[in-house]
Amino acid sequence: GAGVSQSPSNKVTEKGKDVELRCDPISGHTALYWYRQSLGQGLEFLIYFQGNSAPDKSGLPSDRFSAERTGGSVSTLTIQRTQQEDSAVYLCASSQGTGGAGRYGYTFGSGTRLTVV
Amino acid sequence: SQQGEEDPQALSIQEGENATMNCSYKTSINNLQWYRQNSGRGLVHLILIRSNEREKHSGRLRVTLDTSKKSSSLLITASRAADTASYFCATGTSGSARQLTFGSGTQLTVLP
Repeated sequence: GAGVSQSPSNKVTEKGKDVELRCDPISGHTALYWYRQSLGQGLEFLIYFQGNSAPDKSGLPSDRFSAERTGGSVSTLTIQRTQQEDSAVYLCASSQGTGGAGRYGYTFGSGTRLTVV
Repeated sequence: SQQGEEDPQALSIQEGENATMNCSYKTSINNLQWYRQNSGRGLVHLILIRSNEREKHSGRLRVTLDTSKKSSSLLITASRAADTASYFCATGTSGSARQLTFGSGTQLTVLP
C-alpha cells in the first residue's frame, strides 16, 4: 500500500483481556518495527522483524507480549491478559532494510491507541 | 534506555522566528535522524544525517552533527504555526541493534 496501515486505530479493553494489533507495512519493505509511546513520552522499542524473523525481541516488556510476521508482510502484536500499564499508543514502522541500523528512514503508521480499563 | 535526549523539552516561539532544538546521545552512531509527530500519532521522517556528515539542509530545515560532542541540532527557519509539533531525534548504530533509538522529544509551539 501507499503507507503503513495500522488497525484498529483505537481499542478500549477490559483488564485481563487479550488484544491483537495489526500492522500492514509498505509493500517491499523488509524491515518492520513495533514501538510504544506512553502519554507525553518518547518511543520505547518493542521488537523488530527482518522478513519473517525477529532477531531482536529484547524490548518486549513481558512474556504477555508476542508478535509475529507472516509472508514478510503483515505483522500482529498480541498482548495477553492486558494490564492498565499497557495503555499506550502502539506504533508500527517499516523501512526498506536495516543495512546498518537506521540507514533508511522509517515510515510510521498512525498507531493504535490502546486503553485498558 | 534513552540514547538521544532532546533539549529543550518545550519551546514556544512567534511565527517567523527560527527554532533550534538540540539532541545529545551517548554511544557511537551510524546516523542520526529527526522526526516530527503531530497529535501523538505517527511520526514523519524529516531528515537523516550520516556520521561522516556535518551539516545537511532540506527546505527550511538545517541539521548539524558534531560526533566529537555527540550532539546534533535541528534548526527550523522562518517558523509557521503549522510547524507546531513534537520533534524527536533518533540514532542508528552500527552494532548488533538494528532499530533506531528515540529521544523523549521537544514540543515546539509556534504562535501566530
